[in-house]
This record gives sequence, structure tokens and C-alpha cells, in this order.
Amino acid sequence: ETGVTQTPRHLVMGMTNKKSLKCEQHLGHNAMYWYKQSAKKPLELMFVYSLEERVENNSVPSRFSPECPNSSHLFLHLHTLQPEDSALYLCASSQDSTSGLAIFGPGTRLLVL
Amino acid sequence: DQQVKQNSPSLSVQEGRISILNCDYTNSMFDYFLWYKKYPAEGPTFLISISSIKDKNEDGRFTVFLNKSAKHLSLHIVPSQPGDSAVYFCALLSSGSARQLTFGSGTQLTVLP
Repeated sequence: ETGVTQTPRHLVMGMTNKKSLKCEQHLGHNAMYWYKQSAKKPLELMFVYSLEERVENNSVPSRFSPECPNSSHLFLHLHTLQPEDSALYLCASSQDSTSGLAIFGPGTRLLVL
Repeated sequence: DQQVKQNSPSLSVQEGRISILNCDYTNSMFDYFLWYKKYPAEGPTFLISISSIKDKNEDGRFTVFLNKSAKHLSLHIVPSQPGDSAVYFCALLSSGSARQLTFGSGTQLTVLP
């Protein structure tokens, strides 16, 4: 596989569930990102990792917990989410955290019931 | 308050005509400007970019214009094709050490055959 992949592509979960989103990049990039896209809203940056260290956390609620075990993989652990967290969650990577050219994955469509 | 605005949520044009997508920003600290295109069920893909030292960049049917004094960015597509139908996001990269992409809310372009 090439580029940025995300699994699952679709996820339905209850508010008491725990689930994880997975992202993998095959581009040799050093920075990875989680974005949230809600309907009719701009993409919101959630987390930035550079060389496996978190460098940015844009005031995201603690019910979202990122993990970056190596430069190719990024996870977003979800627990006790709210219905308003339903959105498209996009992973992206770039050569480094100062590069504007981010390559996006296809996203995970999340529905919280 | 949004720093990057795409005031037209949708735009319809006839095949063969010009599509003009607009983006306005309020912060002068952006120094690199990008357009992304997004099809349904896919992540955004990079389309074209321009740095703050230029006012025009052209790539085939796509031209991006930057008016720094007006804080205005536009994307021209000519001639428009039905396959161009997608959501277009402008994304602006802030200068300095904390470089971060800030996205607009997107414009849905529909090219009618």
C-alpha cells in the first residue's frame, strides 16, 4: 500500500464504548496529524506528532487520546465519546512538522450514538 | 472567530466555463497558501500552492492568485470539467516556529455537463 491509510473507514459506537482509530503512512514522513471535520466546518487540527513526539495539542478533550508508537503509525483512542463527536476523522502526514504539504488519508467516518 | 473564510459554501458552473473559488483571511502571519480538493469518501488531496512572495501560480487548468494587500486568495479552473466537481478547501500555513495549516470551511463545486 502507498500513501496514508486509515482503518476502520466507518465506525459506529455507543457513548460507553472504547475504540481506536489507526493510521499508517508509507511515505517516510516524520510528522503525523489528526484532524476532525464536522459538517460545514473547517478541518480542525487535533494533534501533531513530529518524530513520534507530540508537539501540538489544540485543547482536545481527554476522551481523545493519541498514540504514536513509531513514525509510520498513529492511533487515536476513543472513550466515553459524546454524540457531538460524530465527524470525519482524518489522519495526515508530512515530511516534517513545518511543511505545509500534508498528505491525507481517506478518513474514518465516526458516528456516536 | 475564523481566521480563514470561504464565504461561498457552494458554486455551480457549466462545463467549459471558468470556476472561481475564493478564500479570505485575517491574519498576516500566513506565508504559504494551498488548495486541497476533496471527493466524497476520500481524504483531501493537494492541488496547487503559492508562496507569499508570488501573486500567481499556474498549473495546467488551475491557477491560484494571491492578493496580500486584500488578504484574498482565489483558485481559477478553466475550462471546468465535470470531474472537477468536489469540495475545495483553502489551507494557509502560518509563518514562524509554530507552523500550522489553517483550513477554510470548503466550497462545493458542481460542474454541470
